[in-house]
Amino acid sequence: SQQGEEDPQALSIQEGENATMNCSYKTSINNLQWYRQNSGRGLVHLILIRSNEREKHSGRLRVTLDTSKKSSSLLITASRAADTASYFCATDRSGYSTLTFGKGTMLLVSP
Amino acid sequence: DTEVTQTPKHLVMGMTNKKSLKCEQHMGHRAMYWYKQKAKKPPELMFVYSYEKLSINESVPSRFSPECPNSSLLNLHLHALQPEDSALYLCASSQGLAGPSTDTQYFGPGTRLTVL
Repeated sequence: SQQGEEDPQALSIQEGENATMNCSYKTSINNLQWYRQNSGRGLVHLILIRSNEREKHSGRLRVTLDTSKKSSSLLITASRAADTASYFCATDRSGYSTLTFGKGTMLLVSP
Repeated sequence: DTEVTQTPKHLVMGMTNKKSLKCEQHMGHRAMYWYKQKAKKPPELMFVYSYEKLSINESVPSRFSPECPNSSLLNLHLHALQPEDSALYLCASSQGLAGPSTDTQYFGPGTRLTVL
């Protein structure tokens, strides 16, 4: 069963704009990861945030985690056409040792 | 080398065929995974191998048979598949030290399988 739910399902923006994607989950977690997938290809790990962290940065990426609301957000600043992809959050579940991926957000960045 | 390779890239098979998907990594990772991904859906975990032993089978039908011949290779043997098994099959690996949920997973490009 899916643990994470991303929203929006699809997002279309212009180059240079910021893109924000949200992920909500249902049960307590140890950590949350974000992955990117270009059309029909493998997934690429972007960032991992632990349950005791509130914010993490990596280049143009900023991830926040609010365990009280069971939600996370991924912000991509100054987007580029190359950022066009699907973005998935992935969570573990306490007591389980595997990742469960959310439904994903499809991001389209137009030049 | 941070690459996970998968062969073939595309596979078309009939319901009576037997075929195999192959996955290889040379990062010294001790955990390897098979995922199934249908169009516009997230990847769904099928199997996890840890130190060359099957540690997790997510109730996958027996027509899918995984094999881990050594720490670098992972196979998925396919037999008597159904058209609904058509999907992108992704292999991933991770260090295997902290557990599948904490490790960063490195994904291969996938095999696009079509069952006729």
